[in-house]
Amino acid sequence: DQQVKQNSPSLSVQEGRISILNCDYTNSMFDYFLWYKKYPAEGPTFLISISSIKDKNEDGRFTVFLNKSAKHLSLHIVPSQPGDSAVYFCAASPGVSSNTGKLIFGQGTTLQVKP
Amino acid sequence: SQTIHQWPATLVQPVGSPLSLECTVEGTSNPNLYWYRQAAGRGLQLLFYSVGIGQISSEVPQNLSASRPQDRQFILSSKKLLLSDSGFYLCAWSTGVPYNSPLHFGNGTRLTVT
Repeated sequence: DQQVKQNSPSLSVQEGRISILNCDYTNSMFDYFLWYKKYPAEGPTFLISISSIKDKNEDGRFTVFLNKSAKHLSLHIVPSQPGDSAVYFCAASPGVSSNTGKLIFGQGTTLQVKP
Repeated sequence: SQTIHQWPATLVQPVGSPLSLECTVEGTSNPNLYWYRQAAGRGLQLLFYSVGIGQISSEVPQNLSASRPQDRQFILSSKKLLLSDSGFYLCAWSTGVPYNSPLHFGNGTRLTVT
């Protein structure tokens, strides 16, 4: 049972345009969400996060939006740059009562930014 | 600063052979430690996590096992590898809750079982 889903395996955008990566989740107990970026042959690196008490968090060119009623979050990258080309993973934390720190990840979306 | 080391980077093993992947963390004490696997076409699947020495929690049934012999050392093992064990194995650490400490990953081990 996939609790965190990224239904688009890949996305291609032109440099300078907006990239929008989507993520859906099924467990209403998830209370913290994160995005990770992964280059080939490397481990994922943390990008940005959002708490369930917020609907938006911004960090430079990256903004994450959360729609709790729809159980949906998205990552916006504006403007997109060729160096942003990577696999992006959405992840969710199982709840405030969990102190294990474990995260549930989606399948990932491969973003290609064309010069 | 904290660093995480994972080795080897790549490994090719025949079916039925044993496996031992090692991960160590420096610059922090009593971290939570994790083993994830990324199989072809799939996301990151949590295999094991540990909140302390000797404490191992398994997330999925499989022929793999994990051990934590020291505070900052995490080992992934198998007695007999299966073809389905092929994948990209990632070790990660955190200090606890994601609000304060997102997972920090190593560079991974690419395992190919032939």
